[in-house]
Order: sequence, then C-alpha cells, then structure tokens
Amino acid sequence: DIQMTQSPSTLSASVGDRVTITCRASQSIINWWAWYQQKPGKAPKLLIYKESSLQSGVPSRFSGSGSGTEITLTISSLQPDDFGTYYCQQYDRNSYTFGQGTKLDIK
Amino acid sequence: EVQLVETGGGLIQPGGSLRLSCAVSGFTVSSNYMSWVRQAPGKGLEWISVIYSGGITHYADSVKGRFNISRDTSKNTLYLQMNSLRVEDTAVYYCARGLLLTTRRGDAFDVWGQGTVVTVS
Repeated sequence: DIQMTQSPSTLSASVGDRVTITCRASQSIINWWAWYQQKPGKAPKLLIYKESSLQSGVPSRFSGSGSGTEITLTISSLQPDDFGTYYCQQYDRNSYTFGQGTKLDIK
Repeated sequence: EVQLVETGGGLIQPGGSLRLSCAVSGFTVSSNYMSWVRQAPGKGLEWISVIYSGGITHYADSVKGRFNISRDTSKNTLYLQMNSLRVEDTAVYYCARGLLLTTRRGDAFDVWGQGTVVTVS
C-alpha cells in the first residue's frame, strides 16, 4: 500500500502570510491528488482536484501544484476564514487515502 | 439543489449491526460513484467504501467482510450496512459524491453530507 505523509501537522500563521502544506507519497502516484478543508464540526470541503484545478467557488488564493510523489497546497495570502484542518487525498487501485491532516491556526 | 443527508447513526454495543442511509437529492445516486468516509473522534479522515456507477464495490481493509455498501435507485439512497461492529468503528460517518469530469472520474469527492455519529460501546 502507498503511504502518505502530510506536513506540517500543525501550522500557525498570520493574516496575509503565504502558507504551504505538503503531501508526500511513498511511491509515484499516477492518478490525481485532491485537497480538502475541514472546519470543526463540519464536513470536508473540496478545494483542489487533479493536483491543481480549483473547485468551483473556491477563492483563487488557493492553489495546488506538484506531481509524482509530492504535491503542495499553497494559500497565497492567508485570510481569517482559512483556519481549519487541511487534508490531501489520493486514489490508487480502487482505494482512496487521506493524509493525516494539517491543522492551521490564525495567529 | 444537490444534497446528501445521512441518517441511522446511534449507540450500539460491540458485535451489533447498524445500517446508515444517505438520501440523495439533486442528482441520481447511480449516476455517480459514491463513497463512505469516516472520522473517529479527534482523528483524520478515513475512506472506507466506494460503489461505482456500474455497481462495483470496494472496501478498506479495516471494514472488509463486515461492511456492505449498496444503493436503491428507486429511493435515490445510498446505504452502509455495518455488521460485527467494534469499538474502533466509533466515528462520524459521511457519505460523499465522487467528482465527475468530462472524460473520466475526478478521483475526489465534491459533495458531502453533514455526517451521522456512530458510537460503539
């Protein structure tokens, strides 16, 4: 099975900061990655799919990049509403796997 | 409006069974691939099962042989039958719609329900 490592596990940043979250797979992923945001007590929300495609309605300050074994979610200018936990997700051989999550706090 | 509403959660003893339902509105349950994803208290997301539009199903190893995903197109509803429940199955259970792109599956989940809580104790 492919192992996924998401980093950092926690992150504290200020409004206006550029924030980067990384996910790394134990072997090359030939299928697509996705990123989600989850706020406490709420369902996850799809942000990015196909590594870099922005889901409808998601602000353009969110972007995704990378390929192969590592992908990155970037928030170009952090806003107060961006707090929450972020998860990467990949698909391989009829199985979907989520990263462990990155909890983002606003300073 | 596209919406997923889960019901059926509750408190159940170890070894018991429970059936979760996910009522679908705004699209046809069989037109998309659909999954169940769970989240144990204070933990991350765990995918547990998928049913593709053609009816093929797959499961995470943690629930294989105990859980069964199905759908009823006449009721436009997705189900998760959970048997032989364990304490470690305690979680919020979400149903989620698979993202469809023009030419293939998007391998992501674009619509989620609000979740239903299952407590095994």
